[in-house]
Amino acid sequence: AQSVTQLDSQVPVFEEAPVELRCNYSSSVSVYLFWYVQYPNQGLQLLLKYLSGSTLVKGINGFEAEFNKSQTSFHLRKPSVHISDTAEYFCAVSRMDSSYKLIFGSGTRLLVRP
Amino acid sequence: ETGVTQTPRHLVMGMTNKKSLKCEQHLGHNAMYWYKQSAKKPLELMFVYNFKEQTENNSVPSRFSPECPNSSHLFLHLHTLQPEDSALYLCASSRGQGNTEAFFGQGTRLTVV
Repeated sequence: AQSVTQLDSQVPVFEEAPVELRCNYSSSVSVYLFWYVQYPNQGLQLLLKYLSGSTLVKGINGFEAEFNKSQTSFHLRKPSVHISDTAEYFCAVSRMDSSYKLIFGSGTRLLVRP
Repeated sequence: ETGVTQTPRHLVMGMTNKKSLKCEQHLGHNAMYWYKQSAKKPLELMFVYNFKEQTENNSVPSRFSPECPNSSHLFLHLHTLQPEDSALYLCASSRGQGNTEAFFGQGTRLTVV
């Protein structure tokens, strides 16, 4: 079975500061990795995904994430955040062996302050 | 706009009512999902349909009854719900392969009174 851990339930940060949201996963098989963002009263939107190849993945809105197989991590980063980045961020995994089930972490609320 | 539409956006129902949530996608996807999002809890996968066949039921109580008449539509029929069932119900669809992203609707905010 797969599981995803997002240790930080909330991350407060000042505008224009860098941020890192942590994600660790556990799986007995190889997985694909995703980051989703949820703005208030909205559904989830894909930020980026890691399928294969380069371990550094760039996504929308200036976000990037790095896959680290040895540490089973997929941390999300942004060098300079904006007020509009305030949202809930979810890390998710799915199995590579044709499974289409997404397993989500509990989410991290990013709170950007002026 | 993600291409996945959920109706209604908000629903208030009594514990003895029967109601249905609707989800529609015209993205040509083969898999559709229902998730429950409660406050301070991880997203819970409830049901998965792949090519109209139910392939996952994560021990969901029978008061939730899904229906997938075709690959574009997914329903969640609700009856005799409990207050703890109040949550945001999210529908999603994907091409049905593990390496493809899921597209989410905006959700139905359900309140059981």
